[in-house]
Amino acid sequence: DAKTTQPPSMDCAEGRAANLPCNHSTISGNEYVYWYRQIHSQGPQYIIHGLKNNETNEMASLIITEDRKSSTLILPHATLRDTAVYYCIVSPLDSGAGSYQLTFGKGTKLSVIP
Amino acid sequence: DAGITQSPRHKVTETGTPVTLRCHQTENHRYMYWYRQDPGHGLRLIHYSYGVKDTDKGEVSDGYSVSRSKTEDFLLTLESATSSQTSVYFCAIRGYSNQPQHFGDGTRLSIL
Repeated sequence: DAKTTQPPSMDCAEGRAANLPCNHSTISGNEYVYWYRQIHSQGPQYIIHGLKNNETNEMASLIITEDRKSSTLILPHATLRDTAVYYCIVSPLDSGAGSYQLTFGKGTKLSVIP
Repeated sequence: DAGITQSPRHKVTETGTPVTLRCHQTENHRYMYWYRQDPGHGLRLIHYSYGVKDTDKGEVSDGYSVSRSKTEDFLLTLESATSSQTSVYFCAIRGYSNQPQHFGDGTRLSIL
């Protein structure tokens, strides 16, 4: 029962911005949007999260539509080291640790091309 | 990087033997999680802990038990390992409220 929909794969030229879309049309008002990535067989790496406002940190920007039904992760200047599987996850506010389970889907495999 | 250490990083063992995986954190975070990752399934939650001696089951808890006697350590035990438990196991930690989970580097477990 997927709560998010992402394209299975994307390519991006090195140095260009990578824009990774995510649909979460059934998101609830208390659910955050989280983005993680996984490089090869390493542990998932947290990138960014947000509730309804756009967010930016040193790694990426997160743009959430006004209706919160979709979002876009932006890597402003993709490098070869950004090649990874990117996961978009929606998760509710904490009301007990169990409700904070992260459900990882299949994600988007981003290939950064030299 | 979050202060999370998983041990061992790799292990090969035989069916029927007990196996214990350790997750150690230096962040003094309250919440700790064990996930497994298999091809075609993504990450699935096995067990989690919301404090010392406070644990609960996740999505795929059958065949696994956990213990947390100290804030910094969360142990995952396979009492009698089966080949279906061959997987990559990830530990994660979290502080409070809506803070994100941070993951360790994983333990690759093979059961022959």
